[in-house]
Amino acid sequence: DAMVIQNPRYQVTQFGKPVTLSCSQTLNHNVMYWYQQKSSQAPKLLFHYYDKDFNNEADTPDNFQSRRPNTSFCFLDIRSPGLGDAAMYLCATSRGHGLAGETQYFGPGTRLLVL
Amino acid sequence: GENVEQHPSTLSVQEGDSAVIKCTYSDSASNYFPWYKQELGKRPQLIIDIRSNVGEKKDQRIAVTLNKTAKHFSLHITETQPEDSAVYFCAATTGNEKLTFGTGTRLTIIP
Repeated sequence: DAMVIQNPRYQVTQFGKPVTLSCSQTLNHNVMYWYQQKSSQAPKLLFHYYDKDFNNEADTPDNFQSRRPNTSFCFLDIRSPGLGDAAMYLCATSRGHGLAGETQYFGPGTRLLVL
Repeated sequence: GENVEQHPSTLSVQEGDSAVIKCTYSDSASNYFPWYKQELGKRPQLIIDIRSNVGEKKDQRIAVTLNKTAKHFSLHITETQPEDSAVYFCAATTGNEKLTFGTGTRLTIIP
């Protein structure tokens, strides 16, 4: 009954080699988020989609891109991973019905290792 | 923008005792305050939340209190158990789809 699914769970890439992380959801939620989390720190929002509208955070490096081809799927592309990009990447969703404050549901995360 | 401060950063309590984690927020327009528990290597999981029209909410051993005037909210865990050991994050939002997280509290329950 997984609701937010992330693949792969672990990803090893080489310095500078593009990598794509994927997220899918069965909740039919309008909003999908990508967070970066480094050890013992709070999740840091990279960007989010409200339906097809893309919202980038001001401090998200250009190296990070995202695609949302349909309601269910969202991808995180790291064009040229650096050693500092090694982290846990969390996908989350929320209903986005315009109600005051909504719960975000997190996927299990993809742990990225950059060699 | 919203700023959320969380204290303490680490907390150790004897099994069976209570634990309290406190957060303050800056934006008086914030109206939703969730608490997430994150075990090592796992996803953040919502454990309790509270909206601005409520002062307190309880779910078994877990409770959250909100003081809108002082702009702070707290997580209370009673009768702590070893499985309560985790990192806890508070968060706040004005309803613009984005959560502002606190810096986290590492809670250790000592058997």
